Amino acid sequence: DSGVTQTPKHLITATGQRVTLRCSPRSGDLSVYWYQQSLDQGLQFLIQYYNGEERAKGNILERFSAQQFPDLHSELNLSSLELGDSALYFCASSANQETQYFGPGTRLLVL
Amino acid sequence: DAKTTQPPSMDCAEGRAANLPCNHSTISGNEYVYWYRQIHSQGPQYIIHGLKNNETNEMASLIITEDRKSSTLILPHATLRDTAVYYCIVRPAAGNEKLTFGTGTRLTIIP
Repeated sequence: DSGVTQTPKHLITATGQRVTLRCSPRSGDLSVYWYQQSLDQGLQFLIQYYNGEERAKGNILERFSAQQFPDLHSELNLSSLELGDSALYFCASSANQETQYFGPGTRLLVL
Repeated sequence: DAKTTQPPSMDCAEGRAANLPCNHSTISGNEYVYWYRQIHSQGPQYIIHGLKNNETNEMASLIITEDRKSSTLILPHATLRDTAVYYCIVRPAAGNEKLTFGTGTRLTIIP
């Protein structure tokens, strides 16, 4: 158990819909990272937050957004969903600029 | 970030040492070598990391060559639960904090 929690574990929705994925980092970790893993793209970095502020952006679509709240939990919002957004979404957290610890992921299926 | 090269797959007999190689010939002086593994769509699990010296923890040993252009992850007594995809990642110590995952090595432990 990494100490990072993600909800929900599974999500099934329809194209055009909007969903919110939630991540609670390990106690005390200020950084939260979001990654997407699809069959054809592998694990890809989406975005990072540090203590409530956006720190870095990766291959995140404009339809996707994230935020980190004062209690340090983070949410990833996916809107206007397409079939290709079906993937595993992982959150990771770190206390410093070194080791990232990953949560169990949310499996999103867009029908 | 420096790129890494890993064999796509390896087999290892249960109880034997599993040695997973990684080439990172363009690694810079301030870049660490990290190893993660992913067991069947679970969240990536941190294993070990190092800069120059060999490292050992309860999970594995990391051997880095003197020129730092390659490294080997050693699982001393492989069990069936070690079957996973193993990722070797090179990452700066500070600044660019994202993890760039390649395709990794799919390690299969044979009973």
